[in-house]
Amino acid sequence: AQSVTQLDSHVSVSEGTPVLLRCNYSSSYSPSLFWYVQHPNKGLQLLLKYTSAATLVKGINGFEAEFKKSETSFHLTKPSAHMSDAAEYFCAIGTASKLTFGTGTRLQVTL
Amino acid sequence: EAQVTQNPRYLITVTGKKLTVTCSQNMNHEYMSWYRQDPGLGLRQIYYSMNVEVTDKGDVPEGYKVSRKEKRNFPLILESPSPNQTSLYFCASSFGLRPYEQYFGPGTRLTVT
Repeated sequence: AQSVTQLDSHVSVSEGTPVLLRCNYSSSYSPSLFWYVQHPNKGLQLLLKYTSAATLVKGINGFEAEFKKSETSFHLTKPSAHMSDAAEYFCAIGTASKLTFGTGTRLQVTL
Repeated sequence: EAQVTQNPRYLITVTGKKLTVTCSQNMNHEYMSWYRQDPGLGLRQIYYSMNVEVTDKGDVPEGYKVSRKEKRNFPLILESPSPNQTSLYFCASSFGLRPYEQYFGPGTRLTVT
């Protein structure tokens, strides 16, 4: 079975500093991986996706993620955090019939 | 505007009283799915549908029913709600038969007392 593990339930950064949200995956074949963001009282929105093309994937709002097969990781990064980035972030892995989500990482951005 | 709508957004009900949460999408998507979100557990899939009249169980289907009689609608039915079904529910849809790039509704917060 395919799964993802988000290594941090909560990450706090200062505005203007880099963001790193970690996700490891488990899959017996080449996975399709996703990052979704959920702002307070909102539904989830797709940030970016990896589907076996370029290993460095760029998403919306300056986020990017790198697929590393040797480390089974798909970490989400952003060079400089903004207050509006405060939200919950979910890593997900896709199969033929569904997405399986991680437990989420809440990103706090402080002044 | 392309969107997934859910109704109601908030619902408080009592144990055993049947309820339906509606979901509708205007993007002509084949795939639709229901999730529940609970603190510390992320999103877990309840049911999904690949197309009209084609539905299947997700990871946590117990206590729920769904139907897909029209492509745009995918209601979630709780025949006899219990307090452990208190949760935040999301409907989602995507183009084609693979559940990638899912579009999510705004959520329905259900409380069962």
